[in-house]
Amino acid sequence: GAGVSQSPSNKVTEKGKDVELRCDPISGHTALYWYRQSLGQGLEFLIYFQGNSAPDKSGLPSDRFSAERTGGSVSTLTIQRTQQEDSAVYLCASSPFTDTQYFGPGTRLTVL
Amino acid sequence: AQKVTQAQTEISVVEKEDVTLDCVYETRDTTYYLFWYKQPPSGELVFLIRRNSFDEQNEISGRYSWNFQKSTSSFNFTITASQVVDSAVYFCALRVSGSRLTFGEGTQLTVNP
Repeated sequence: GAGVSQSPSNKVTEKGKDVELRCDPISGHTALYWYRQSLGQGLEFLIYFQGNSAPDKSGLPSDRFSAERTGGSVSTLTIQRTQQEDSAVYLCASSPFTDTQYFGPGTRLTVL
Repeated sequence: AQKVTQAQTEISVVEKEDVTLDCVYETRDTTYYLFWYKQPPSGELVFLIRRNSFDEQNEISGRYSWNFQKSTSSFNFTITASQVVDSAVYFCALRVSGSRLTFGEGTQLTVNP
């Protein structure tokens, strides 16, 4: 079956602009996660959605970052007023409840 | 707090050599899960294996094997008869309560022909 998909695959933006990154999880997976992978910080957890429960936002680095998940499926990660330190690969993963997480191909964000 | 340490930043081997990637974890939880993921040059993280804290049986899958030892808090990964296609970054990860994964820094494996 189809895996996790993310769009766009690459995004180049100017400092100060807002960006939206999209994730389509594997059909039937109730849990969805966002991680960030950057050279200096490795793989960092950002946010976790599970069904209708309140999301775990404890990994979001600042209030410029937000995410939503509509209809228990697609998720959008929004970064407002982007900064150069936001440049990274943003990875989305999904899992059946709290089981093994399967990752998408990522979105490479470059902030100029 | 949880922590995963992969002390080997880079390993380079010649094809057909065996190679072991080390992973040491820290957690105070008694129930936890350990994972290995492979990240080839294409960038996507590929799931390889999951073990839970109550199952210390070693596992073999083809050329891959995993050695889980709670006494040393280690979950090492061995590739037997390595191949060029094994070249990738390998991540060890830990999950306790809640669902976030805590990743190690990764080991870059290069298999030369």
